[in-house]
Amino acid sequence: DVKVTQSSRYLVKRTGEKVFLECVQDMDHENMFWYRQDPGLGLRLIYFSYDVKMKEKGDIPEGYSVSREKKERFSLILESASTNQTSMYLCASSPFDSLQETQYFGPGTRLLVL
Amino acid sequence: GENVEQHPSTLSVQEGDSAVIKCTYSDSASNYFPWYKQELGKGPQLIIDIRSNVGEKKDQRIAVTLNKTAKHFSLHITETQPEDSAVYFCAAMWDSGGSNYKLTFGKGTLLTVNP
Repeated sequence: DVKVTQSSRYLVKRTGEKVFLECVQDMDHENMFWYRQDPGLGLRLIYFSYDVKMKEKGDIPEGYSVSREKKERFSLILESASTNQTSMYLCASSPFDSLQETQYFGPGTRLLVL
Repeated sequence: GENVEQHPSTLSVQEGDSAVIKCTYSDSASNYFPWYKQELGKGPQLIIDIRSNVGEKKDQRIAVTLNKTAKHFSLHITETQPEDSAVYFCAAMWDSGGSNYKLTFGKGTLLTVNP
């Protein structure tokens, strides 16, 4: 079974703090994704990566950055957390082969910024 | 890019009834349409998917239909059970360039199955 793990299930941070969300997958997938999920808005793509040290902006990258130093790990960074970044953050991974598009999701990190 | 509309946003049915969730998409080049189920406190899990060269796919009580001409696809759950209660998301995959594929999700449907 594909396993995607996220470092924390719940996080509480203060405005202005630097926040790191970590994601690890164990299936040697090339693609990794960060989404945020908000009520009534569904899942929105923040950043994605198709290879080590490679990143591309998604639909809502403002206020976020990412890091992919190893194939299995994809980090989401909030440089200076703000209250409007309170949300559920979901990491996903998928193989590079376009015939296998299924994305596998982690359990999510619920972030509260005070 | 792709735009996916999902309806209804909430759906309440009696146990044993059928449930139908509908999605439309905008990019005629989209060729892969997965459905995810998200239970409370968990990440979305793939439950069924369909590719553009197929009109219908079934897996036990779950089926998905695709109408490429009309650019819509639907999830059908028959003989619903309380454990089917969850948020369901549809999605469409499209090529964002350089053979990089992205999923665009609908906003989700909260399905409640009443015992």
